[in-house]
Amino acid sequence: DTAVSQTPKYLVTQMGNDKSIKCEQNLGHDTMYWYKQDSKKFLKIMFSYNNKELIINETVPNRFSPKSPDKAHLNLHINSLELGDSAVYFCASSQGGPEKLFFGSGTQLSVL
Amino acid sequence: RKEVEQDPGPFNVPEGATVAFNCTYSNSASQSFFWYRQDCRKEPKLLMSVYSSGNEDGRFTAQLNRASQYISLLIRDSKLSDSATYLCVVKAGTASKLTFGTGTRLQVTL
Repeated sequence: DTAVSQTPKYLVTQMGNDKSIKCEQNLGHDTMYWYKQDSKKFLKIMFSYNNKELIINETVPNRFSPKSPDKAHLNLHINSLELGDSAVYFCASSQGGPEKLFFGSGTQLSVL
Repeated sequence: RKEVEQDPGPFNVPEGATVAFNCTYSNSASQSFFWYRQDCRKEPKLLMSVYSSGNEDGRFTAQLNRASQYISLLIRDSKLSDSATYLCVVKAGTASKLTFGTGTRLQVTL
């Protein structure tokens, strides 16, 4: 069983479109995250939710809106996609602190 | 200055070699340190935590130097399967997030 699963694995879309990425974890963790890894492989946190409450919101354009319907799910909706949004987006989860993160396999987003 | 800096490599080493990576961090309030491994086109996975006294896990040894603000990872008897990018990761104090370095790429060859 996959511990942290995210869909889709690949997402190719046009500039200006709206898209969503879904994430689910079956580890019973209380904290979930979205990370962005750019073309230079720099992995940067975007958001963190603890028990459905937003606890970290880095400097991310408000076109990005996370939603956590329950502590096992954290989705990411992106409005008005731009070329610079092209990256790999990783969902992750942890129990308690962020020390041991379990990552999903990533969503490769390509904006054309 | 980046919060966490690593030599991007690549480090090309033959099988059986010993290789070491260093990483420096800028925030003196950093409390927790880790090495994550990321295979090509895969997600990062925790390799090991780094303790003040240094720690070893099989062929891997991690060390922390708080005075100079750097951590190191030593891999002995390199295997082909060790080829990956090694990410240095730092957590500052009570922060609820990790800060990742951009990674050091290791390529082990026959």
